[in-house]
Amino acid sequence: QVQLQESGPGLVKPSDTLSLTCAVSGSSISSNNWWGWIRQPPGKGLEWIGYIYYSGSTYYNPSLGSRVSLSVDMSKNQFSLRLTSVTAMDTAVYYCASKRDRERYFDYWGLGILVTVSS
Amino acid sequence: DIQLTQSPSFLSASVGDRVTITCRASQGVNNYLAWYQLNPGKAPKLLIYTASTLQSGVPSRFSGSGYGTEFTLTISSLQPEDFATYYCQQLYNYPVTFGQGTKLEIK
Repeated sequence: QVQLQESGPGLVKPSDTLSLTCAVSGSSISSNNWWGWIRQPPGKGLEWIGYIYYSGSTYYNPSLGSRVSLSVDMSKNQFSLRLTSVTAMDTAVYYCASKRDRERYFDYWGLGILVTVSS
Repeated sequence: DIQLTQSPSFLSASVGDRVTITCRASQGVNNYLAWYQLNPGKAPKLLIYTASTLQSGVPSRFSGSGYGTEFTLTISSLQPEDFATYYCQQLYNYPVTFGQGTKLEIK
């Protein structure tokens, strides 16, 4: 069974870069899965950020423009999110999640990590 | 983007009740619709995928139906652990989108 664990700073200053990592256990990151991020601002619904395949192929939510990038570290069996030029609107619980290739749903999720953007 | 509209947004019910949540898509999504349960402090849980397939390990009191633009999630007999927030999600087209959520509360 795949297990996902988010880590990173809980507080980021406005205009800085938000960086989060998701450690994968129970599966190789080079398996037939896409590895992604979904966030939930306080009191709001879920927003898909994007996902990445171990080969480096990516899909991103256009709403985030060029601020978002994902990467994979096969040596550490983990993947990461970078979101640049953050504002208070980026304050949210960030979840990492996985979906099998060719499937249309996320079958494993992490517990989530709250990231607050504030000076 | 495909908009998903859930109704109701809030639902008050009792243990043992049968409840139904609806998810309407702004355009057809075939059967590429999933349902999730979110509980504070827990990892989100996949309940249903491809509109009606029960994820392994999910109790049979959960069921899903629908195709195209209208979908439903039904819980046949509410248990205490079912009071949570439920979201639908489509991946027929990019970007992946979610409904706004339905919070199920104890009456």
